[in-house]
Amino acid sequence: QKEVEQNSGPLSVPEGAIASLNCTYSDRGSQSFFWYRQYSGKSPELIMSIYSNGDKEDGRFTAQLNKASQYVSLLIRDSQPSDSATYLCAVDGGSQGNLIFGKGTKLSVKP
Amino acid sequence: GAVVSQHPSWVICKSGTSVKIECRSLDFQATTMFWYRQFPKQSLMLMATSNEGSKATYEQGVEKDKFLINHASLTLSTLTVTSAHPEDSSFYICRRDNQSSYNSPLHFGNGTRLTVT
Repeated sequence: QKEVEQNSGPLSVPEGAIASLNCTYSDRGSQSFFWYRQYSGKSPELIMSIYSNGDKEDGRFTAQLNKASQYVSLLIRDSQPSDSATYLCAVDGGSQGNLIFGKGTKLSVKP
Repeated sequence: GAVVSQHPSWVICKSGTSVKIECRSLDFQATTMFWYRQFPKQSLMLMATSNEGSKATYEQGVEKDKFLINHASLTLSTLTVTSAHPEDSSFYICRRDNQSSYNSPLHFGNGTRLTVT
């Protein structure tokens, strides 16, 4: 069974620091990787996608992918209290459109 | 703006009644819609995949007679929770697949908070 693993947290960082979120996946054939942010009581919103090895930067967010290690991470620079949320890692599930989600890491940014 | 509209956003119903949740694709024809359930502090669990014009595909352990899915048009998919019980109380979310590009962002509805009393 395909699995996506994340530390549940909570991960607590001070405002302005770098938050580092990690994710591992079991299916070596996975090709697409996504990070979603989910505020309490809300549905997830996509913040980053990455498909090839290396880093991808978008504003304060950087996604890192290492397919050999089956590892994907998300860095949030200059963390803000508004970044406090649960971050879900998702990996393509093989069949078109299906995603396998991790359980999420709760991030708390302290002012 | 939202590209996937989900209604209602919350509903409270009595045990034994049925609840219908609608998910509309506003800007794109959706041949496939994914339905998830999320219990408190848990991740999203895929319940079923609805396909326009054909039967839905249910995940293992999900009762197809209890969770009825209808995808009669390219813009609307519905999930009906039949004979709801308190253990069905959860957050239900739909997600549209973008058929034009496999790797494009995949849009969620805003979710429906179901509480069964």
